[in-house]
Amino acid sequence: GQQVMQIPQYQHVQEGEDFTTYCNSSTTLSNIQWYKQRPGGHPVFLIQLVKSGEVKKQKRLTFQFGEAKKNSSLHITATQTTDVGTYFCAGRGNQGGKLIFGQGTELSVKP
Amino acid sequence: SAVISQKPSRDICQRGTSLTIQCQVDSQVTMMFWYRQQPGQSLTLIATANQGSEATYESGFVIDKFPISRPNLTFSTLTVSNMSPEDSSIYLCSVDPGGRGELFFGEGSRLTVL
Repeated sequence: GQQVMQIPQYQHVQEGEDFTTYCNSSTTLSNIQWYKQRPGGHPVFLIQLVKSGEVKKQKRLTFQFGEAKKNSSLHITATQTTDVGTYFCAGRGNQGGKLIFGQGTELSVKP
Repeated sequence: SAVISQKPSRDICQRGTSLTIQCQVDSQVTMMFWYRQQPGQSLTLIATANQGSEATYESGFVIDKFPISRPNLTFSTLTVSNMSPEDSSIYLCSVDPGGRGELFFGEGSRLTVL
């Protein structure tokens, strides 16, 4: 079945450093989504990417969807302590169906 | 967007008992989704609840263990039956109010089974 792998599992950075998490699917995706879950909180939708090679930005966050629609990345420039949390990618297969979540990348930011 | 309220927010239960989690949405939605998030893990879909029909369960989840009700377009319940410590998880209700596949989650119900 479809699998979505996400790396790294953990990332510890100094405030001001950049951060990137990567997501890879075993099959071609129709779209990919990114969610953020603060410690003790619930997942919050960040963005959805649909087109091959798509790049979207939200302030310091840059999201990319690979040309083959099998991988994606989230890059945070100049991290802040407010960026702390776990970032999940979630992909949906070409045939539709349920959303498959990656394992998440837990980001900690040292002030 | 949608505002989703879940109750209880947390509970500690004894092995062998059952707990019902409620999910209330501030708008009418066709489908409601129930997820499980085990400690430090990702989200796993348990089932999709449609109003007026039986819920659709994912592989590894069965109705006897996780009965779901969906009496109307704004409310659903998930029951965790005959609980064991392995059921200790966060249970999350979610909806896709815009129909674009973008999920909004409730605050979650953190369940600890002793």
